Amino acid sequence: DVKVTQSSRYLVKRTGEKVFLECVQDMDHENMFWYRQDPGLGLRLIYFSYDVKMKEKGDIPEGYSVSREKKERFSLILESASTNQTSMYLCASSLDKYTEAFFGQGTRLTVV
Amino acid sequence: AQSVTQLDSQVPVFEEAPVELRCNYSSSVSVYLFWYVQYPNQGLQLLLKYLSGSTLVESINGFEAEFNKSQTSFHLRKPSVHISDTAEYFCAVDSGGSNYKLTFGKGTLLTVNP
Repeated sequence: DVKVTQSSRYLVKRTGEKVFLECVQDMDHENMFWYRQDPGLGLRLIYFSYDVKMKEKGDIPEGYSVSREKKERFSLILESASTNQTSMYLCASSLDKYTEAFFGQGTRLTVV
Repeated sequence: AQSVTQLDSQVPVFEEAPVELRCNYSSSVSVYLFWYVQYPNQGLQLLLKYLSGSTLVESINGFEAEFNKSQTSFHLRKPSVHISDTAEYFCAVDSGGSNYKLTFGKGTLLTVNP
């Protein structure tokens, strides 16, 4: 069974903290994505990666960075968390554009 | 740039009624189109997709969507819904360019009432 695993389901952090959200896939997929999901705004792409050490900005990259040192792992970093980054974060991976993207269960991050 | 518009944020229907969830896209190049579904407290999963060929595509649980290039639409339909279809539905587009970038709409919450 294919799997995209996000390290935490729920996370509470303080304003100004550096936050790491981890995502691991076991399908040997080239492409990995980070989205944030907010009510009424749907899914917005933060960053994506189509190969190890390769990354591209999505639609809302401000305040975020990413790291992909190994093919199976894609990390989202909030350098200095702010309250407006409170959201549900979804990681996804895909073999290519013709096949489906597989999503993790999401991490609900609250910044207080 | 590509974008997706889902015209209805919420669609309440009664069980066994037909439903249509609307999706329009904009893209300057040919596209691949997808519908994903998110059941309560779960992650997203693919419902159906259009890549090429027949413009009518179907899912295993009775949903279908039709790609209409002239109207730039990819509406999702089901002739008779069940309570278990209650979920949020997301339309998504990939431009088919060299980089794979999947853009989602804002979602439509389908609520099926008994």
